[in-house]
Amino acid sequence: DAKTTQPTSMDCAEGRAANLPCNHSTISGNEYVYWYRQIHSQGPQYIIHGLKNNETNEMASLIITEDRKSSTLILPHATLRDTAVYYCIVRVENYGGSQGNLIFGKGTKLSVKP
Amino acid sequence: NAGVMQNPRHLVRRRGQEARLRCSPMKGHSHVYWYRQLPEEGLKFMVYLQKENIIDESGMPKERFSAEFPKEGPSILRIQQVVRGDSAAYFCASSRHLAETQYFGPGTRLLVL
Repeated sequence: DAKTTQPTSMDCAEGRAANLPCNHSTISGNEYVYWYRQIHSQGPQYIIHGLKNNETNEMASLIITEDRKSSTLILPHATLRDTAVYYCIVRVENYGGSQGNLIFGKGTKLSVKP
Repeated sequence: NAGVMQNPRHLVRRRGQEARLRCSPMKGHSHVYWYRQLPEEGLKFMVYLQKENIIDESGMPKERFSAEFPKEGPSILRIQQVVRGDSAAYFCASSRHLAETQYFGPGTRLLVL
């Protein structure tokens, strides 16, 4: 089972910031927070990931709370093409292990409206 | 640098036939993962392979499904004697190392008639 909880759906006005929350209260110290999105049944697209520091790239920003029990993905200026299902995933980065799979939950369906 | 490639993009099979799905990882990536997405559901992990080795097949159905990642060529997911319940989107992802970001391909949509 997924170790994250996300709202089922959210709406956002085009041009405004989209803030997508994720709860991961049982996250372990060596688990990263990953965000992917899936646009209309295309392959999942990697967005961003982080451990404890806030991260930013050309697509989005990731804000992780100090206790690491929750995080927020921020799309600074949402466009209609950002309409997608967004998945928050916690994952161990264990070079010595064999578990490589991502566990997808139901994600948040973000609808960007004109 | 080309992304993860999958072919065919769409595959139609009749019940009882075999389906072969191919995945070419990104250049420099030696770890391949297969996921299945049933209609209106989330992605579920099936199998994780490195070159010539199956590392984790905990998500693979016990019968009819097999996967390989030979030394040369793409990874192949094979489904024998397909049934209607196998109709789904099958996604492949690759990473350079086990602990690094997985990048997904566009998927193969299998329809079993």
